[in-house]
This record gives sequence, C-alpha cells and structure tokens, in this order.
Amino acid sequence: EAQVTQNPRYLITVTGKKLTVTCSQNMNHEYMSWYRQDPGLGLRQIYYSMNVEVTDKGDVPEGYKVSRKEKRNFPLILESPSPNQTSLYFCASTARGITDTQYFGPGTRLTVL
Amino acid sequence: GQNIDQPTEMTATEGAIVQINCTYQTSGFNGLFWYQQHAGEAPTFLSYNVLDGLEEKGRFSSFLSRSKGYSYLLLKELQMKDSASYLCAVPGFYNNNDMRFGAGTRLTVKP
Repeated sequence: EAQVTQNPRYLITVTGKKLTVTCSQNMNHEYMSWYRQDPGLGLRQIYYSMNVEVTDKGDVPEGYKVSRKEKRNFPLILESPSPNQTSLYFCASTARGITDTQYFGPGTRLTVL
Repeated sequence: GQNIDQPTEMTATEGAIVQINCTYQTSGFNGLFWYQQHAGEAPTFLSYNVLDGLEEKGRFSSFLSRSKGYSYLLLKELQMKDSASYLCAVPGFYNNNDMRFGAGTRLTVKP
C-alpha cells in the first residue's frame, strides 16, 4: 500500500531533550516536506527537500533540523525542544515537486513540557 | 504583502450548497490546491487549478481567477460527512519550491 508513515504518533517530552520524528514514504517520491499545524494558524511549512541531500527552509524553520540521506526517509530533528514547539506535525511527499498532489502522513502530536 | 485568506468558519445545512472562498496575493503563481481535513486526520487532496475557470468533480467544484487572485470551492448536496476543514494552498508562494497554506475554513454541516 502506497503510504507515508510517521513515528511516533504521540510524544510527550520535556524541554531540552533531543528528539527525532521519523518520516518514510514507499512511493519513490522526490519531494518531501514537514509541516506543523496549530489552531488558527493552519499548516505551516518547516522544511522541505527536493531530493536526496537537497533541503531548504520553509516558513518556520527555527528550532528544527532535517536530513535527507535516502530518498524514502526525511526525519525531523528537534535538538532542544521548547514548549512553543508543542504542535501537531505532518510529513508529506509528492512525486516530483510542488505542483504535484501531496500525500500526508498520519501526524505526530508532540507535547513539550 | 503576500498572503492567503479564507474564512475561519462556515455553517450550512445538509442538502444545501456552500461556497468557500480563498484569496491570495503572491508575485508568482503555480496553481492552487484545495485539501480536505477531517478532525484528527491528515489532509487529503481535493483539487488543483492552474488555469482560470471552473473544474467539476462530482459534488465538488473548484474555481480559479488568476487576475483577481481568487478561488472558491463549491460543495453541492451537502452531507454530514462533509463537516471538515478545507484548506487552500499555493505552491511556490515565496520561492519556486515552497508551499503555503491558508489557515483553513472549518465547515459544519447541520441536519
């Protein structure tokens, strides 16, 4: 089944404790992206990747890192999480670029205490 | 400035028609997407318009006017399951490769 998977689905952590949210797609998609979703603000793009080893900042990249060492994986890293990073996170992928349909993962609900 | 605007909330009655508007201001334009998102779930694709005019897909239609920076999503014969948030999104909003979403319109369908 073609899909985007994220792990973990739910995470409660404390300020300053490094964490990684994994994202994987099995569709051989080139473009991958991370978003956060907050009430009243909608989906905001954090980072995106056009292909392996090619990443760029989105709208709200502060406090986040990403890597794209393999085509299928695009992990989101929070080196020192803070309470303002409490949010719902979505990973998404498209076949080639931004004018293709995005396929979203199920979401990761992160709480930073 | 550059922005994407859509109403925060709308309410409609089962069986009726509702139109959800989206206006955008951007220097470049690569089309406009509409996504549906049910509460607690991931967004799913509804439509993509790159040329002016109306595109119909079953009960859902999407319209685009590039000269006016305006799009709408038209939902006909509303069903209870259409209660969801509807997100418009503009690819290449700031540069050639990013994606910008509006804040979303939460639609409630009442019996």
